[in-house]
Amino acid sequence: KQEVTQIPAALSVPEGENLVLNCSFTDSAIYNLQWFRQDPGKGLTSLLLIQSSQREQTSGRLNASLDKSSGRSTLYIAASQPGDSATYLCAVPKAAGNKLTFGGGTRVLVKP
Amino acid sequence: AAGVIQSPRHLIKEKRETATLKCYPIPRHDTVYWYQQGPGQDPQFLISFYEKMQSDKGSIPDRFSAQQFSDYHSELNMSSLELGDSALYFCASSLDSLSGANVLTFGAGSRLTVL
Repeated sequence: KQEVTQIPAALSVPEGENLVLNCSFTDSAIYNLQWFRQDPGKGLTSLLLIQSSQREQTSGRLNASLDKSSGRSTLYIAASQPGDSATYLCAVPKAAGNKLTFGGGTRVLVKP
Repeated sequence: AAGVIQSPRHLIKEKRETATLKCYPIPRHDTVYWYQQGPGQDPQFLISFYEKMQSDKGSIPDRFSAQQFSDYHSELNMSSLELGDSALYFCASSLDSLSGANVLTFGAGSRLTVL
C-alpha cells in the first residue's frame, strides 16, 4: 500500500526566504507526482505535475524535483511572499487513471 | 477556461438524512473522481468513473453511491448520514486518464455538515 509523507507538517518563514517542502512515498512504482496548493476551506489547485520519467518541473518561482529511486520529491518556492501562505500537498497515482494518494500536507505561513 | 463545477457549495443535513452532491467536469474530460476530506485530514479517494463506468473504488461507505451520466456529470448520493460524514467533498476530472495524461483538476468542493 502506497504511503505518502510530507515533512515538515508546518513551516513559518519571513517574506523573501526560499521554501523547501519535502514529500516521500513508499512505493516507487509511481506514474507521476503532483503538487497541489490548498487555501483554508478551499479546493485544490494543481501547481506542478512531474512524470515518472522526469527529474524536475519548473513554473515561475516553483520548482519540483523527483527522485523515484529514493521515493522523494521536493518543492522549492523561491523568494516567498505572504500570498504563498497555504497548505501544500503532494499526491501520487500508482498508474494512469488510478486514484491519487495524498500526503498529509505542509502548512506554510509566510510572514510579511 | 471552464473549471470543475460542484454544487451545492454548502449543505447542512440532519443525521439519517440523505444528501446528493453534483459535479460537472471540464468539457471533454472523460474521468471523474470523488474525494472526501475530513477536518484537518488529507483528501481520501472515494470512487471514480471513466466514460460513465465505475473505474476504481476507494474507501467509500456502502451508504454512499455515485454514478456518471450521459452528459458526463456525476452525482454522489449519501444516505443515512452520520456525524462523521461532515467533510469537504471534492470532485476532480481528467482527460485521457488511460493514456496517462492524468492531470487532475479539482473543483472548489462541497462542504457537508451533518448535525
